[in-house]
Amino acid sequence: QVQLQESGPGLVTPSGTLSLTCTVSSGSINSGNWWSWIRQSPGRGLEWIGQIFHTGSTNYNPSLKSRVAISVDKSKSQFSLRLNSVTAADTAVYFCARDGPGCFDRWGQGTLVTVSS
Amino acid sequence: QSALTQPASVSGSPGQSITISCTGTSSDIGAENYVSWYQHHPDKAPKLMIYEVTNRPSGISNRFSGSKSGNTASLTISGLLAEDEADYYCSSHTTASTYVFGTGTKVTV
Repeated sequence: QVQLQESGPGLVTPSGTLSLTCTVSSGSINSGNWWSWIRQSPGRGLEWIGQIFHTGSTNYNPSLKSRVAISVDKSKSQFSLRLNSVTAADTAVYFCARDGPGCFDRWGQGTLVTVSS
Repeated sequence: QSALTQPASVSGSPGQSITISCTGTSSDIGAENYVSWYQHHPDKAPKLMIYEVTNRPSGISNRFSGSKSGNTASLTISGLLAEDEADYYCSSHTTASTYVFGTGTKVTV
């Protein structure tokens, strides 16, 4: 069954850009599903960041929309997250997930990103 | 969009039943059948327990059940087991084509 794996720097400096990649394996990123990024800040709940379809169509959380970009590279079976102008509040475990649809039925293991100088 | 409202904690004894509520608005839970529930143990990926309000994925125990009335969804866990102790989150698709999660509920057995 499809597997997802996040990768990227674990430390980002304040005001910099957070960049993460999710690699989809044992399944096709062209499968007709949407693909999402979700995060969990320390001591807080889950927060949906946004999603992308293999055509490149996107939807974003309105509270993050001005700072977020999600892209897809079908040739590598990957989709990526960029979050700019980061602050300590963006420190979180970031998950990538498959949209079921209407639910998140496959998740990556998550990767901790710390924003600190 | 505001997070869906869940109780911070719910507890029960082994064998008992508990219900977790998830309250939203007419723009999310009230308008959508894409309501789902997740079990989250620390340092693990969240696990889908219920999708489309009432459906269980393959492999999920029938001790877990979901329902919805108006702007409020609920997850019931019957026959509580020690392994059910975890954080639980609801989620809903919205009329704006986004998703919103609940505030999370810590279940103690």
